[in-house]
Amino acid sequence: GEQVEQRPPHLSVREGDSAVITCTYTDPNSYYFFWYKQEPGASLQLLMKVFSSTEINEGQGFTVLLNKKDKRLSLNLTAAHPGDSAAYFCAVSERNYAQGLTFGLGTRVSVFP
Amino acid sequence: EAAVTQSPRSKVAVTGGKVTLSCHQTNNHDYMYWYRQDTGHGLRLIHYSYVADSTEKGDIPDGYKASRPSQENFSLILELASLSQTAVYFCATGGSQNTLYFGAGTRLSVL
Repeated sequence: GEQVEQRPPHLSVREGDSAVITCTYTDPNSYYFFWYKQEPGASLQLLMKVFSSTEINEGQGFTVLLNKKDKRLSLNLTAAHPGDSAAYFCAVSERNYAQGLTFGLGTRVSVFP
Repeated sequence: EAAVTQSPRSKVAVTGGKVTLSCHQTNNHDYMYWYRQDTGHGLRLIHYSYVADSTEKGDIPDGYKASRPSQENFSLILELASLSQTAVYFCATGGSQNTLYFGAGTRLSVL
């Protein structure tokens, strides 16, 4: 089955700096890719989803890059701020797959002044 | 307004006791899921359902049962709770393009 490896498990970032979280996956049939954010003691909130071919999506303060050739998904936090302190999870699924998503183990990001 | 509501939000149970975690959705989604979150293990799928009165096993179903009496409701049942089942449990519904929408979670402590 699908395996998703997420790196690094922990990340300390100075406020204003950028940081990158990377996930690699194994299933070449993977089609939908997600990033979820989980603040301490809270639920998982969808940050962004991407699919199809190599793609860059930009949100508010972050960029998501998908490289299907290398089976790599990355989340780039740009100009980190304290509100970015949270756990981030990547998740992957095939196109028509009922069994939900396969998650990475998560990255705990701490933003310090 | 929360579209996926879990109850209780926290629970302390005794070893060998029965525990029922409930999930109610207003997303009108067919798919519902129960995940377990442990430190160092991310989220792991326990059971899921795509229609009322039917449930399917996920990746770690041992020690858990599920019930889907209606489209809106999905329960996770621990018939004989064990220490190893201490974790945070999340219910989620599945929307378009396989997007999951999570409830607030239930923190279960088995003593």
